[in-house]
Amino acid sequence: TQLLEQSPQFLSIQEGENLTVYCNSSSVFSSLQWYRQEPGEGPVLLVTVVTGGEVKKLKRLTFQFGDARKDSSLHITAAQPGDTGLYLCAGEKAGNNRKLIWGLGTSLAVNP
Amino acid sequence: DTEVTQTPKHLVMGMTNKKSLKCEQHMGHRAMYWYKQKAKKPPELMFVYSYEKLSINESVPSRFSPECPNSSLLNLHLHALQPEDSALYLCASSQKDPSQGSPLHFGNGTRLTVT
Repeated sequence: TQLLEQSPQFLSIQEGENLTVYCNSSSVFSSLQWYRQEPGEGPVLLVTVVTGGEVKKLKRLTFQFGDARKDSSLHITAAQPGDTGLYLCAGEKAGNNRKLIWGLGTSLAVNP
Repeated sequence: DTEVTQTPKHLVMGMTNKKSLKCEQHMGHRAMYWYKQKAKKPPELMFVYSYEKLSINESVPSRFSPECPNSSLLNLHLHALQPEDSALYLCASSQKDPSQGSPLHFGNGTRLTVT
């Protein structure tokens, strides 16, 4: 059972387009992290959201945590080829063993 | 540049070989992790060390043996691997114990091919 459903799995768009990646669950998370991974490198943390309804901006990237802390979205405005990569969401479930639950990832290709 | 350094970057080994992957961080992080990642898939947790003690083993086969010599170093000893073990092996660290929750800092991984 995949606890974190991430969609879409693959996305190929033209430079300048906008896109949104979704991360959904029926479980409540104490926090949710977004990572980007480029080919040949490890994942790099983009943002952590912890409060229901929280919105964080990182240049052209906007991250939102759902009010019930069960879902999150990543919106990219005016995508650029440098945004190409694998986007991963990872949630922490409250409890004694706060292991990360990973989404399956969104492979984004931004074409010039 | 990542602050978590992994060596080697690439490794090709036969099924009868013994090799080791190494990971180093000097950020003072108290938790270190080994993950396995297949192409375009999320990382899969293998082991977690917290304050130099093994705290999580995700039912990993014994042909993978982790070691944490000190708070900055993490090794993964490999023996009698199978071709399906070919993958990117990622090391990560976090400032706090996993039970307290803190984001992960990943190295760039070792690309392992088992022939």
